[in-house]
Amino acid sequence: SQQGEEDPQALSIQEGENATMNCSYKTSINNLQWYRQNSGRGLVHLILIRSNEREKHSGRLRVTLDTSKKSSSLLITASRAADTASYFCATDAGSGNTGKLIFGQGTTLQVKP
Amino acid sequence: DAGVTQSPTHLIKTRGQQVTLRCSPKSGHDTVSWYQQALGQGPQFIFQYYEEEERQRGNFPDRFSGHQFPNYSSELNVNALLLGDSALYLCASSLFVASQPNEQFFGPGTRLTVL
Repeated sequence: SQQGEEDPQALSIQEGENATMNCSYKTSINNLQWYRQNSGRGLVHLILIRSNEREKHSGRLRVTLDTSKKSSSLLITASRAADTASYFCATDAGSGNTGKLIFGQGTTLQVKP
Repeated sequence: DAGVTQSPTHLIKTRGQQVTLRCSPKSGHDTVSWYQQALGQGPQFIFQYYEEEERQRGNFPDRFSGHQFPNYSSELNVNALLLGDSALYLCASSLFVASQPNEQFFGPGTRLTVL
């Protein structure tokens, strides 16, 4: 079963705009990770945020985590056509950092040039 | 430095057959996890191998089994294939550090089609 749910399921924006994707989950977590997947290929790790962190930045990416609301958001600023992909959040909810990731269903982002 | 590699890239089988998928982890990694991704869905955790033993398992039947070799590479075996086993099978490797988050590096996947 899926732990997380991403919202929206699909997002279409123009190049240069910002893209925001949200993720909600059900149980307490150790950490939450965001991944990107291009056209059904392997996943690329974007960013990891621990349960005791509230915000993290990596280049054009900004991730927030609200454990009280069991939600996270991924912001991509100044989007590019190359950002077109599916984005997944994944939670590690086991006892300790188990590496057993539970993924949401993903948000499909299309960035139009 | 090679990343995670998987073989084969694509595979077509018929119902009832058995299949073996292979994964070589990223250099320096000792843990391998397998995921199944159906079309349009997020990956689902199958199991994880560490020190040649299955350390964790997701909600998959016993038809799904695996193995890890001394060089940390791994195999995923699926017996008595069903149409519903058609999916992208992803292997991810990581380095186990106690009480630290595991950043997992994914391979390109094996696309399995069951006819």
